[in-house]
Amino acid sequence: AQTVTQSQPEMSVQEAETVTLSCTYDTSESDYYLFWYKQPPSRQMILVIRQEAYKQQNATENRFSVNFQKAAKSFSLKISDSQLGDAAMYFCASFSTTSGTYKYIFGTGTRLKVLA
Amino acid sequence: DGGITQSPKYLFRKEGQNVTLSCEQNLNHDAMYWYRQDPGQGLRLIYYSQIVNDFQKGDIAEGYSVSREKKESFPLTVTSAQKNPTAFYLCASSIRNRGQPQHFGDGTRLSIL
Repeated sequence: AQTVTQSQPEMSVQEAETVTLSCTYDTSESDYYLFWYKQPPSRQMILVIRQEAYKQQNATENRFSVNFQKAAKSFSLKISDSQLGDAAMYFCASFSTTSGTYKYIFGTGTRLKVLA
Repeated sequence: DGGITQSPKYLFRKEGQNVTLSCEQNLNHDAMYWYRQDPGQGLRLIYYSQIVNDFQKGDIAEGYSVSREKKESFPLTVTSAQKNPTAFYLCASSIRNRGQPQHFGDGTRLSIL
């Protein structure tokens, strides 16, 4: 079975500093995709970044980048120049197909606090 | 603008009562999903549907039911068999292709009276 593990329930970062959120996953599929979602206090789920497993290049979206280590099954999110608006729950998720079904698996989340 | 609309935002259930949460999307997505979110447990999949008139159980389907009569709509009924329904419920949709990100509604908070 697929699993996604986020071992950091809570992290803090000083405004303008850099923080890295950890995520490990386990899948037997060769073709899969990984995501980071942000859930601010409004509870709206917002896509932060997406990574295709067959691509070696790490995905980047402005201040957000990932460190994708396929052999280690690790998918960490780096937030540079942290802003107060980055404070939220962050969820790591994987997607793969098994027997023609389409399922997304989510981790338990990391709450990020940004200190002014 | 395209998006997903969940209603109501807040819902209260009495003992022995069934309640239905609405989810409508105008993104022309084939796949739709229902998740339950409890503190410290992330998102857990209740039901999902890849095409009209077809749906599959997720990891925690007991006490819930769904229908998919139209592409745009995927309502979730929380039945009286669900003994601990208090949670935040999120509906999502996606293009039915590999690895496309999900789009989420704003959620419904269900509480017991």
